[in-house]
Amino acid sequence: LAKTTQPISMDSYEGQEVNITCSHNNIATNDYITWYQQFPSQGPRFIIQGYKTKVTNEVASLFIPADRKSSTLSLPRVSLSDTAVYYCLVGDYGTGGFKTIFGAGTRLFVKA
Amino acid sequence: DTGVSQNPRHKITKRGQNVTFRCDPISEHNRLYWYRQTLGQGPEFLTYFQNEAQLEKSRLLSDRFSAERPKGSFSTLEIQRTEQGDSAMYLCASSPTRDTTNEKLFFGSGTQLSVL
Repeated sequence: LAKTTQPISMDSYEGQEVNITCSHNNIATNDYITWYQQFPSQGPRFIIQGYKTKVTNEVASLFIPADRKSSTLSLPRVSLSDTAVYYCLVGDYGTGGFKTIFGAGTRLFVKA
Repeated sequence: DTGVSQNPRHKITKRGQNVTFRCDPISEHNRLYWYRQTLGQGPEFLTYFQNEAQLEKSRLLSDRFSAERPKGSFSTLEIQRTEQGDSAMYLCASSPTRDTTNEKLFFGSGTQLSVL
């Protein structure tokens, strides 16, 4: 299973764009990259998933370079409610199931 | 609410007692996962079911832990002879994916276990 490395914490201000980068040097050919968000006392919530290039949804964008050894989650114009822990996961979700390794995540603090 | 439901939300027990948690996945989700999360750490995988079959168990799941998913619907996680080290948030997640490569997990709010 590919191991991921993320910054432990990040600070930002309301209205700014936040980019959280995740390193996954040992990513395998079949692995997808998935990001989850977690608030205190709640389970993680799916944000975005991608395999290569760029993926965008109503919440975030995910940038994946050609070598796929890293990925960047981009949150546009963050608000106080975006303060949470963000997890980057890499895995093969085929018939063997999703053997998830979450890691410690990145704690994002958004200030007013 | 059609999300993943976990009960109870909180459980306080004394060391040595048995506890059981329940997870009701999103209807028709065929995969169900259990995770454990301690303060400041990410969730750790415990086990997962494809329908009623338990297909994988983590080494973290000692013989005091058992999970079932009768009829492929709700699941229970039982911890026997609880220890203080079992204190954690126990999370359940379900997924609708069937043999595809881009799985998305839907998590419940968890059961917070405190062993005194």
